[in-house]
Amino acid sequence: SAVISQKPSRDICQRGTSLTIQCQVDSQVTMMFWYRQQPGQSLTLIATANQGSEATYESGFVIDKFPISRPNLTFSTLTVSNMSPEDSSIYLCSVEIRGREETQYFGPGTRLLVL
Amino acid sequence: QQQVKQSPQSLIVQKGGISIINCAYENTAFDYFPWYQQFPGKGPALLIAIRPDVSEKKEGRFTISFNKSAKQFSLHIMDSQPGDSATYFCAASMYPGGYNKLIFGAGTRLAVHP
Repeated sequence: SAVISQKPSRDICQRGTSLTIQCQVDSQVTMMFWYRQQPGQSLTLIATANQGSEATYESGFVIDKFPISRPNLTFSTLTVSNMSPEDSSIYLCSVEIRGREETQYFGPGTRLLVL
Repeated sequence: QQQVKQSPQSLIVQKGGISIINCAYENTAFDYFPWYQQFPGKGPALLIAIRPDVSEKKEGRFTISFNKSAKQFSLHIMDSQPGDSATYFCAASMYPGGYNKLIFGAGTRLAVHP
């Protein structure tokens, strides 16, 4: 597997502001993914981040709201822009490892509360 | 067609008992079925996974049973322990091109009572 860290681990933000979440992996990975998990709910894929190309967004998620960067094979960021209380959620990054591409490994998550 | 339906929503089991969580899918393009375990405040952790060419996979106290014709699969936790209390998610993976996309079930909150 891979060791995945996320920063910040939690944050409380004011509506209208933006927060950038970082995901760092200890080894080079093929794909990186960003998920949202609302309290007590399942995981919903926001977008897939491939190094060197633009992220692929799922239905209901747009780049203006959730811009993503993937500058190299071990790092990605997700920005939650112009936040509202409805954005309060857990944001998780996951990775695919070369040679085990069918499996995704998850980071610890970033717990966001928007007031 | 991309949904994965999971039941029950919550489950209470006595220590030493068997916990059973069921999932069903519709899309026959799914070709990989992992189960994740999530403790409060943590990210999901891969528990066990199966491919549709296998009917059963066992790892320690955890067993996946897979019924391809019925498009159903289930997780069995034998000799359930209080430390197994967590939320369990089934998932199904498909390859739309370039990456494997995971579709998650709604989750089952398991409580194992001592």
